[in-house]
Amino acid sequence: QQPVQSPQAVILREGEDAVINCSSSKALYSVHWYRQKHGEAPVFLMILLKGGEQKGHEKISASFNEKKQQSSLYLTASQLSYSGTYFCGTEGPTSNYQLIWGAGTKLIIKP
Amino acid sequence: DAGITQSPRHKVTETGTPVTLRCHQTENHRYMYWYRQDPGHGLRLIHYSYGVKDTDKGEVSDGYSVSRSKTEDFLLTLESATSSQTSVYFCAISENSGANVLTFGAGSRLTVL
Repeated sequence: QQPVQSPQAVILREGEDAVINCSSSKALYSVHWYRQKHGEAPVFLMILLKGGEQKGHEKISASFNEKKQQSSLYLTASQLSYSGTYFCGTEGPTSNYQLIWGAGTKLIIKP
Repeated sequence: DAGITQSPRHKVTETGTPVTLRCHQTENHRYMYWYRQDPGHGLRLIHYSYGVKDTDKGEVSDGYSVSRSKTEDFLLTLESATSSQTSVYFCAISENSGANVLTFGAGSRLTVL
């Protein structure tokens, strides 16, 4: 079942902070975050593993609450380059080690 | 950038015609994937491969077939294209499954009239 991302879209001024959430109804092993700019391929940002390990981007942080089956991506002091659509992908015991993707959160940063 | 290329990048075809999309990688990664991306749905897995001649279905595999005869090539075939298969198709690669980084190709935009 597809994870639910919120908000669907957000508009910020450069320098403001944003939080993007990803929530699943299923148990999770890991949560993956990717960013996609218009007309381009998704690009890896971060993986959060059950147990607290993280792999990924230095300037973007994220959390993973295993009990609540939720993850949040924190974008602080946003830059124009952060604009794009953010996708979470979840992996769990029912997904056969494959990712199930959320519908995306569109982030627009204005100068 | 990882060596992954998709062809063709754009294709317009008519309902009922066969279509093959090609994904080529130079990274020698074991896993290769085909996704489709449609507004409001994010990415949906069509098929994936975990080795030469080893493939498995994803969540939206009906109407699609795949083949992998060499490590570097993964083909997606629509035997008889339908308008519902109009989409952007992304190929992706990873070293392993699970908590591994996916590297995506640039995408192939398919329009079925």
